[in-house]
Amino acid sequence: ETGVTQTPRHLVMGMTNKKSLKCEQHLGHNAMYWYKQSAKKPLELMFVYSLEERVENNSVPSRFSPECPNSSHLFLHLHTLQPEDSALYLCASSHTDISRETQYFGPGTRLLVL
Amino acid sequence: GENVEQHPSTLSVQEGDSAVIKCTYSDSASNYFPWYKQELGKRPQLIIDIRSNVGEKKDQRIAVTLNKTAKHFSLHITETQPEDSAVYFCAASLRQAGTALIFGKGTTLSVSS
Repeated sequence: ETGVTQTPRHLVMGMTNKKSLKCEQHLGHNAMYWYKQSAKKPLELMFVYSLEERVENNSVPSRFSPECPNSSHLFLHLHTLQPEDSALYLCASSHTDISRETQYFGPGTRLLVL
Repeated sequence: GENVEQHPSTLSVQEGDSAVIKCTYSDSASNYFPWYKQELGKRPQLIIDIRSNVGEKKDQRIAVTLNKTAKHFSLHITETQPEDSAVYFCAASLRQAGTALIFGKGTTLSVSS
């Protein structure tokens, strides 16, 4: 349960605020992911980093900005968000070795945009 | 790109019955199919996965079957228990470095005692 951690666990922000979500993995993985989970929607991929390089950006609005300073840490910088951005933001990590590709999720950050 | 459809969206069973959840995928190149269980307020956790070179995999009361020709895979839970109540997500991906999972919309399973 502590392999992938996320902070903060809950966040309330106004539309003009700037905040950052943090993810840290202690599993020795080298790929990290941001997913958005909204009510009644599937888990939506936002960003993928493999070996600290961004390999996928799934048409996410520029008000979301990811950062991966090393293979253990992943950030999601937020600015001028909209109420529809309220959701659970989940971080995940995995190996890039295809024989060990299982993704492990963090507990998520519950974001409310007012 | 890949698209994953999952059915049913809700499933209610009596304790001890079996539950089956089905998923279809669109990209024939997908070759890795995990299933995640998400309990209320908790993170998704992998319960079983299958790779495209295998047709069936079993782990105690849980089994997954894969039909590559038809591009569908299913989760089977036997002898269901109340603690099996959760949302179950299927996913598909290519087994490449850093490839993301494409998830189905989820099935809410309720097991009543």
